[in-house]
Amino acid sequence: QVQLVQSGAEVKKPGASVKVSCKTSGYTFVTYDITWVRQAPGQGLEWMGSISPHTGDTQYTQDLQGRVTMTTDTSRGTAYMELRSLRSDDTAIYYCARAWRPERFDSWGQGTLVTVSS
Amino acid sequence: QSALTQPASVSGSPGQSITISCTGTTSDVGSYNYVSWYQQHPGKAPKLIIYDVTSRPSGVSNRFSGSKSGNTASLTISGLQADDEAHYYCNSYTSSNTVVFGGGTKLTVL
Repeated sequence: QVQLVQSGAEVKKPGASVKVSCKTSGYTFVTYDITWVRQAPGQGLEWMGSISPHTGDTQYTQDLQGRVTMTTDTSRGTAYMELRSLRSDDTAIYYCARAWRPERFDSWGQGTLVTVSS
Repeated sequence: QSALTQPASVSGSPGQSITISCTGTTSDVGSYNYVSWYQQHPGKAPKLIIYDVTSRPSGVSNRFSGSKSGNTASLTISGLQADDEAHYYCNSYTSSNTVVFGGGTKLTVL
């Protein structure tokens, strides 16, 4: 079955960077985009961007342009999301999900809590 | 890109039907049939329950249905059950080749 397994929780200081991984299995990795969504404590879902493992093409939300980079390693079936210049309001659960289309996210990782605190 | 507008909360009794609205603009909901709905229970990852406005993934109950009129999409849950109590989010593809989510709606089953 399709599975997305994310890396563990992280605690970072303001100004630092974090890189979250998302290892996939159960399907052909390059066939579907991977999207990243975050959720601040007690808040709603925020789309961060997506990447095509086939082409490497990325699309990011304007709010994070310049601070976020999404990459993939097709040999490992793994996607990565790096967020730089962390601020306290970046504290959130970060999810990866498989994307059939730009907005159809049918399988999700378990989430990775990133805490930004001095 | 502003978030899609959803009511903060809705409620209903077991067996009843409820509808959650999701209002966007002509740059997103109004221009594309690429609206999805997600159910999220506390402490869990979201689950896809409706895609392409009206389609249900395999395994999702037919008590969940979607529709759209103009710039507003809607999710209807019929025959409410206790386990339907959760947060519900819509999202849509946009003309900027991005995706926008709604603010989320908390459904309470009385």
